[in-house]
Amino acid sequence: DAGVTQSPTHLIKTRGQQVTLRCSPKSGHDTVSWYQQALGQGPQFIFQYYEEEERQRGNFPDRFSGHQFPNYSSELNVNALLLGDSALYLCASSPGLAGVQETQYFGPGTRLLVL
Amino acid sequence: LAKTTQPISMDSYEGQEVNITCSHNNIATNDYITWYQQFPSQGPRFIIQGYKTKVTNEVASLFIPADRKSSTLSLPRVSLSDTAVYYCLVGDLNYGGATNKLIFGTGTLLAVQP
Repeated sequence: DAGVTQSPTHLIKTRGQQVTLRCSPKSGHDTVSWYQQALGQGPQFIFQYYEEEERQRGNFPDRFSGHQFPNYSSELNVNALLLGDSALYLCASSPGLAGVQETQYFGPGTRLLVL
Repeated sequence: LAKTTQPISMDSYEGQEVNITCSHNNIATNDYITWYQQFPSQGPRFIIQGYKTKVTNEVASLFIPADRKSSTLSLPRVSLSDTAVYYCLVGDLNYGGATNKLIFGTGTLLAVQP
């Protein structure tokens, strides 16, 4: 079991550019959540995808969008990059139908630097 | 969502037991308490989860008093490799029948020294 995988591991962009980050969930999981973690802060929830639809969304602008594919993998897109978008972007997967005990499994993240 | 308060940092030595307490005065009936561990430049890793009383697994124990307004993560005999940030999360696990989002605070940086 490969667990949650993310690509790329690192990325450097300039202000105004667009970026796409990718995530493959843990085997057997069909829900993908994205988090942004700025340096020294805890991860902040961006949005969650289940059955190819956005189910929940955090307090992030529309520049942040996503997609989930039929194989449950997901993309995070950020348009018009700002310096403040520099962060570690984490993907987490979980079973779609919640049980009593649920955990989310995180990938290693993509480190985005905006210059 | 219940707000959590935990120490910003803690120091310990190898072989000691470490207890990290988290306050969550506004915890709701449906809320569970979950702890995650995070190493630098890695994603958070689930440690333990509980609703009440005591939960123990191969990694840690979680103590929750009857009023559930606080919880304590106990790490037995820590080693240098336990140096990490530990997050206490409180929330309903379910959102419309699916997994709910996680709300992280700033966590507790545990530094284990030789």
